[in-house]
Amino acid sequence: QVQLVESGGGVVQPGGSLRLSCAASRFTFSNYGMHWVRQAPGKGLEWVAVISYDGNNKYYADSVKGRFTISRDNSKNTLYLQMNSLRAEDTAVYYCAKVSQGSYWYEGNFDYWGQGTLVTVSS
Amino acid sequence: QSVLTQPPSVSGAPGQRVTISCTGSSSNIGAGYDVHWYQQLPGTAPKLLIYGSNNRPSGVPDRFSGSKSGTSASLAITGLQAEDEADYYCQSYDSLSDVVFGGGTKLTVL
Repeated sequence: QVQLVESGGGVVQPGGSLRLSCAASRFTFSNYGMHWVRQAPGKGLEWVAVISYDGNNKYYADSVKGRFTISRDNSKNTLYLQMNSLRAEDTAVYYCAKVSQGSYWYEGNFDYWGQGTLVTVSS
Repeated sequence: QSVLTQPPSVSGAPGQRVTISCTGSSSNIGAGYDVHWYQQLPGTAPKLLIYGSNNRPSGVPDRFSGSKSGTSASLAITGLQAEDEADYYCQSYDSLSDVVFGGGTKLTVL
């Protein structure tokens, strides 16, 4: 069974930085596009960023563009999200999500999600 | 304001049929992009419920079905059960905004 395990969340002050990781296992990680999706407390799902299977293509939501960077290390089966210049409105549970086989890497259709990691931006 | 519009809440009695709508536009659903539905039980990660507008992943009961027409899509749940009480999200791709989600619909089983 596919496993996605996020880590790296925590409490950070406004303006601070944090790097999230998503360890993938039990599937060929290098074959799939991967996304980050977040959910603020009591709110809905918000797409954050996507990276292609080879890491060569990346897209971001306007709300995080210029502040967040998505990356991956296919040799370590790990996805990352570097978050800089954090704001209170970035407070959320961050999920990594795998694109389903047969779907375009950028379009969504997430067949597996991690359990999420909570990021709290507060002074 | 979400790019895809869902009703905030729906409800139904056990055994009944409920539908959840997802309204988009010509840059997403209307452009032919697939619609996917996710179920999120309280305190858990979302789970893929319907993909490609009307396909169920293995393990999802056939009580759940999806459809798409024009710029809208719908999720139907028949034979409502208490365990179906959850939040439901539609998702598609938008040529102007990349991946987009609906605002979510809370299903209450009366």
